[in-house]
Amino acid sequence: AQRVTQPEKLLSVFKGAPVELKCNYSYSGSPELFWYVQYSRQRLQLLLRHISRESIKGFTADLNKGETSFHLKKPFAQEEDSAMYYCALRALDSNYQLIWGAGTKLIIKP
Amino acid sequence: KAGVTQTPRYLIKTRGQQVTLSCSPISGHRSVSWYQQTPGQGLQFLFEYFSETQRNKGNFPGRFSGRQFSNSRSEMNVSTLELGDSALYLCASSFIPTGGGYNEQFFGPGTRLTVL
Repeated sequence: AQRVTQPEKLLSVFKGAPVELKCNYSYSGSPELFWYVQYSRQRLQLLLRHISRESIKGFTADLNKGETSFHLKKPFAQEEDSAMYYCALRALDSNYQLIWGAGTKLIIKP
Repeated sequence: KAGVTQTPRYLIKTRGQQVTLSCSPISGHRSVSWYQQTPGQGLQFLFEYFSETQRNKGNFPGRFSGRQFSNSRSEMNVSTLELGDSALYLCASSFIPTGGGYNEQFFGPGTRLTVL
């Protein structure tokens, strides 16, 4: 069965420190992976998708098929990065349904 | 374009009652998905509608149901409410191109349901 695991419910780092939010997945097919973010009092929104291979707000994520991971990274955290982050997988053999991780709350300390 | 709208924004009900939530997708989006968000469980997928048909369904009891109208607006109904149904219910719409594929989901602000 498809599954997305975000092992950290809460991650707290200091401003300027590197950030890595972990995401591991279980899926036998070829996955499409995404990171969504929800800032305080704002709507959940797409941050980035692995196909795009782009950096958004300084964040990058590389799909590692060998380790079945899609970790989200940023070299220097900023206070405005504090938010809830969700990793999601698109299951091609489940009618494109998105499988969601439990989310990681990122707190950037000043 | 106007974003996804959900009504009502807040709702208080008592156990045993039923509730209907509404979602209006972005114009041109024919896929509407519903989610339950709680602090303990995170984001839980309820179901997805596409062109008035339920295309995907999550692992929720039959008390949770939905439908989609010809204008793509969707409603979600929860019957016989339980205390554990208290949550933020999110709706998301997306544009599905001909031939399938994935496009970004655009989320609404949610409906906060409190069951007393």
